[in-house]
Amino acid sequence: GEDVEQSLFLSVREGDSSVINCTYTDSSSTYLYWYKQEPGAGLQLLTYIFSNMDMKQDQRLTVLLNKKDKHLSLRIADTQTGDSAIYFCAERDDSGTYKYIFGTGTRLKVLA
Amino acid sequence: EAGVAQSPRYKIIEKRQSVAFWCNPISGHATLYWYQQILGQGPKLLIQFQNNGVVDDSQLPKDRFSAERLKGVDSTLKIQPAKLEDSAVYLCASTLSGSLGETQYFGPGTRLLVL
Repeated sequence: GEDVEQSLFLSVREGDSSVINCTYTDSSSTYLYWYKQEPGAGLQLLTYIFSNMDMKQDQRLTVLLNKKDKHLSLRIADTQTGDSAIYFCAERDDSGTYKYIFGTGTRLKVLA
Repeated sequence: EAGVAQSPRYKIIEKRQSVAFWCNPISGHATLYWYQQILGQGPKLLIQFQNNGVVDDSQLPKDRFSAERLKGVDSTLKIQPAKLEDSAVYLCASTLSGSLGETQYFGPGTRLLVL
């Protein structure tokens, strides 16, 4: 079945790096996504990675993909207090209706 | 470019009452999604439209939930009658055509509390 799992909480100090992990199950996913949700707001797409890539870097964000283990991670360098939010990874079912399946979300708290 | 609009932002009702949410996607976006996000969980797809047709409604509780997108633009999601477990944020999202690699844009959501 479809399932995307994440750890629930992560706390880091300002200026440190944050690493948020995700495991997924659908091997047909062509793209894997990271979204950010701030309190009271909808989801904002941060970045995505094509499934034939191992790594993608976008400014402070680095996405690593281990397709064999179905493991995805998001690294935020020089984490700032404004990065405090809930981060969701998502996969898309590309074998059927192309629906998105979201993880449970990781709440990142950045301590000043 | 205007984003995805949703209204109302907040709604409080009693169980067994009815409620409706409205979504206006980004202009020109053919694909529209309704998600339910229960506190502490990720969004769960309720229904996906391509223009005015339903692509996927497999997770929509059809005994109480209904949705329409009659002219292929804005959409309404209705709950009738509401239950306590329907308390959640209802998110609307849209993409240009639903094709591979497109960005999904989310609205701010409607927060529903059922008492």
